[in-house]
Amino acid sequence: EDKVVQSPLSLVVHEGDTVTLNCSYEVTNFRSLLWYKQEKKAPTFLFMLTSSGIEKKSGRLSSILDKKELFSILNITATQTGDSAVYLCAVDSGAGSYQLTFGKGTKLSVIP
Amino acid sequence: GAVVSQHPSWVICKSGTSVKIECRSLDFQATTMFWYRQFPKQSLMLMATSNEGSKATYEQGVEKDKFLINHASLTLSTLTVTSAHPEDSSFYICSASFGLAGGGTDTQYFGPGTRLTVL
Repeated sequence: EDKVVQSPLSLVVHEGDTVTLNCSYEVTNFRSLLWYKQEKKAPTFLFMLTSSGIEKKSGRLSSILDKKELFSILNITATQTGDSAVYLCAVDSGAGSYQLTFGKGTKLSVIP
Repeated sequence: GAVVSQHPSWVICKSGTSVKIECRSLDFQATTMFWYRQFPKQSLMLMATSNEGSKATYEQGVEKDKFLINHASLTLSTLTVTSAHPEDSSFYICSASFGLAGGGTDTQYFGPGTRLTVL
């Protein structure tokens, strides 16, 4: 059974802090790993990672994948209150069709 | 815990037919279920929110007569794509959550998605 585990489940930090969110996975057929940010309604796509060791960056957010150790991290530097959200990790493990396995998310709260 | 399943995982149908997708919470009671559609570049669009025993709330731009949602029990919601056309081909994801005592919803637990291909 495919499994995606995110840690921590919940995190409270002060503005300006740097945070690292973790996502580990065990899937039978790995194709890609995706990170989403969910604030109110639909999750917003952040990154898709397919290759090990290549960092993807977008502003203060960055992410990297380790396919040997089967995990990914999402880093947020100089956090702001607007970063408060649930961050979801999902792995596409479909053999033929696309199939996503989501983690349960990490709830990040950034306080002033 | 908090496992959500979807069935089928992949369906191919002819244009004009209707397709039903099921979303089940396997080990918890989901007072609220959400239906999403995934677009290119991985973005997810919320289509509708359904609460058990009541009519679904559709997002703006989503045709309620085209995408019929039924949330008949605390563990099952269905999305029926009626008279499907090739432009309906997409990846449909559901999520389920508990209800909170004071209203609102808790964390959403996502299903694995259903790939719909309309020929």
